[in-house]
Amino acid sequence: DQQVKQNSPSLSVQEGRISILNCDYTNSMFDYFLWYKKYPAEGPTFLISISSIKDKNEDGRFTVFLNKSAKHLSLHIVPSQPGDSAVYFCAVRSGNQFYFGTGTSLTVIP
Amino acid sequence: EPEVTQTPSHQVTQMGQEVILRCVPISNHLYFYWYRQILGQKVEFLVSFYNNEISEKSEIFDDQFSVERPDGSNFTLKIRSTKLEDSAMYFCASSDWTGVPLHFGNGTRLTVT
Repeated sequence: DQQVKQNSPSLSVQEGRISILNCDYTNSMFDYFLWYKKYPAEGPTFLISISSIKDKNEDGRFTVFLNKSAKHLSLHIVPSQPGDSAVYFCAVRSGNQFYFGTGTSLTVIP
Repeated sequence: EPEVTQTPSHQVTQMGQEVILRCVPISNHLYFYWYRQILGQKVEFLVSFYNNEISEKSEIFDDQFSVERPDGSNFTLKIRSTKLEDSAMYFCASSDWTGVPLHFGNGTRLTVT
């Protein structure tokens, strides 16, 4: 099943610039959309979420955008910091199931 | 900040053996999950558990798998007869009454030889 796709396996950004991570999904019935960050040897850490009734949610340097017509989700990090270097997963919820993308490895270059 | 804890961090077992992976979810959480991630692949849903019963399970969660909440704090995943392809990171997660977000533990790396 390919419920959620992250088409960019990796992304490199200069410190201080904006990082934009993208995610596409297939099912318009998903009601919650989330972003997680993962360091090696650790579990995913929740970053930010958005419900299907909104199109933007902001938390500090992190903003999530939801485009329901395009079935597209994005995470903006600005300004990017070296500590943001990690793998980022998008996730969607349907009922009691969460489906995860394959992840995008972000490297922020000092 | 409360966290989900998993033990052991790494488990090595021989094919055909039973393993039990243990998790202590966040104390006031109501929904419990097991996910796994095979090396280089995506995080895959195994099972969700609510009100002392399985609420949803994936095709991966066949008869070899079972979950239990034996007391008020622990949540376990048992694999009855491990196969080589069960080698993966297994993550436990929990959420409160809202269901969102999931809070993950640091995982148990299961290696089946």
